[in-house]
Amino acid sequence: DIVMTQTPLSLSVIPGQPASISCKSSQSLFHGDGKTCLYWYLQKPGQSPQLLIYEVSNRFSGVPDRFSGSGSVTDFTLKISRVEAEDVGVYHCMQSTQFPYNFGQGTKLEIK
Amino acid sequence: QVQLQQWGAGLLKPLETLSRTCAVYGGSFSDYYWCWIRQPPGKGLEWIGEVSHSGGTNYNPSLKSRVTISVDTSKNQFSLKLTSVTAADTAVYYCAGFKWGLGLDPWGQGTLVTVSS
Repeated sequence: DIVMTQTPLSLSVIPGQPASISCKSSQSLFHGDGKTCLYWYLQKPGQSPQLLIYEVSNRFSGVPDRFSGSGSVTDFTLKISRVEAEDVGVYHCMQSTQFPYNFGQGTKLEIK
Repeated sequence: QVQLQQWGAGLLKPLETLSRTCAVYGGSFSDYYWCWIRQPPGKGLEWIGEVSHSGGTNYNPSLKSRVTISVDTSKNQFSLKLTSVTAADTAVYYCAGFKWGLGLDPWGQGTLVTVSS
């Protein structure tokens, strides 16, 4: 199985300041069809996860442009350029390059 | 816009079978792989498995011996069965649609299933 490791597991950010979350996979996430199957989700308190980023760096419909994803092979990063109060929750990375699909442990973002 | 709604028993005894069904409203049922994901209290997300509209399945090996995911295209529904549950199966269960390259979206509302004697 591909193991997904997120750091940090929690972070506290002043509104307007940037935030960054790392996700490392135990194997390359490059798929034979040319895609790199790495996604980011945000789970707001009491809600189901919602898709933020697909294929490493593509913002899903309606996702603010303060969210950006980058990385390749085994190292990936989610960045929030200016954190807002509505960004609180748990951020999850996920891979679908290989079965079983796996998630990272989650990173809890709080507002300072 | 595709929406998902799930139902099933919320309280089970050890060794019983967990059964959940998720109905899909809107969109094209055949465009997705249909997935079950769970989240034990205070823990991360675990992908349980998926079913295609034609009935093909993939399961998490950690649960494969106890899991069956099936599809009913006539009703735009898919179902999860997990046999011989224990307290370790206590979790919020989610149903979701998966598109290759796009990931998991949409998600249904999560439902807590508790296993307790």
